[in-house]
Amino acid sequence: SQKIEQNSEALNIQEGKTATLTCNYTNYSPAYLQWYRQDPGRGPVFLLLIRENEKEKRKERLKVTFDTTLKQSLFHITASQPADSATYLCALDSTGGGNKLTFGTGTQLKVEL
Amino acid sequence: DGGITQSPKYLFRKEGQNVTLSCEQNLNHDAMYWYRQDPGQGLRLIYYSQIVNDFQKGDIAEGYSVSREKKESFPLTVTSAQKNPTAFYLCASKGSGMNTGELFFGEGSRLTVL
Repeated sequence: SQKIEQNSEALNIQEGKTATLTCNYTNYSPAYLQWYRQDPGRGPVFLLLIRENEKEKRKERLKVTFDTTLKQSLFHITASQPADSATYLCALDSTGGGNKLTFGTGTQLKVEL
Repeated sequence: DGGITQSPKYLFRKEGQNVTLSCEQNLNHDAMYWYRQDPGQGLRLIYYSQIVNDFQKGDIAEGYSVSREKKESFPLTVTSAQKNPTAFYLCASKGSGMNTGELFFGEGSRLTVL
């Protein structure tokens, strides 16, 4: 069966360090992968999209990698700040047509002073 | 400002009652989606619509119904047939011609069955 796995345990790091979150998937052949941020009680907000032919994508302090051989994406936040504390979700297109995104359960990140 | 508006934000329902959640967007997006989120679970797709007057079932459509009579609106009805309706419901939209585009989400509606 198809699965998208994110670490269900919260990740606690100190301010200024790099946070690394993992998204693993099985039985998918996604053309792209997306990352979203979700704050408590709010809707997710899009952060980054990376395509299957891209190894790495950056946006300000964010970096995403995509390894289709390992079936894994890593999401990095450098110089983390308390304001980065949130739940981060990865999402894959499960149909190939871009019309049906399937989400992982998300990983909660807590950045401490 | 352009965006997606969901209402109500909080809703309480007695067992056996149908409720309708509203979702309106002014982004001129063709595609709209309804997801359900439960604690410790990812977002699960209920229904989606790629164009007016057309919609498809998602992974957990049983007990739900939708309509898409206008491009801007995609209401979700939670019927009494839904066995466990208490959840956080999220509506989203996506621009047309962008089959790899991002989803824009509303702020969600939290439904509690008493």
